[in-house]
Amino acid sequence: GAVVSQHPSRVICKSGTSVKIECRSLDFQATTMFWYRQFPKKSLMLMATSNEGSKATYEQGVEKDKFLINHASLTLSTLTVTSAHPEDSSFYICSAITSSGFTDTQYFGPGTRLTVL
Amino acid sequence: QKEVEQNSGPLSVPEGAIASLNCTYSDRGSQSFFWYRQYSGKSPELIMSIYSNGDKEDGRFTAQLNKASQYVSLLIRDSQPSDSATYLCAVDLSFGAGTTVTVRA
Repeated sequence: GAVVSQHPSRVICKSGTSVKIECRSLDFQATTMFWYRQFPKKSLMLMATSNEGSKATYEQGVEKDKFLINHASLTLSTLTVTSAHPEDSSFYICSAITSSGFTDTQYFGPGTRLTVL
Repeated sequence: QKEVEQNSGPLSVPEGAIASLNCTYSDRGSQSFFWYRQYSGKSPELIMSIYSNGDKEDGRFTAQLNKASQYVSLLIRDSQPSDSATYLCAVDLSFGAGTTVTVRA
């Protein structure tokens, strides 16, 4: 299957700082990538849809000024958590879409665990 | 709004038994159906995809699709402790909440 990487895998930061997470599709080009957040023992929560060359589409309740998404190339999307606070501590997962004929398949990155002190 | 519903867990099965996971969906026009496995603390991993009615087998996994009933299932035969995980059903790009499976040794 397609490979999606994320960097960093784990980050600890102080409250008030900003953190950037990178998501890369390694062996394919991804016009669309998704960003999810998952709290312990909870379901995946879609935060936003990232489209190459255009503004991201955010889900209801997700602050676009706090979670900045940039999808500048067909293989890279970044999520920046600005002015992070302890309640932003979570597991952030990206995914990328591969398209084949009539179907789109979603592949996930390994995730980034963010801890805000 | 496309809805994907999975049977509530957790599901506990003895080692060697068959684990049966069910999923229904609301959009009759859905085209693609996937099962993902997510281990605790890890991201989801694609284990099966199915696009047409009937069964699709891959090792100990069998996916079953019935578009008329808007129903997709996953069977895990000869369940192993390593199969203990949360299984996510996805229809096109919409996910269910997941069913947690525990295989008892």
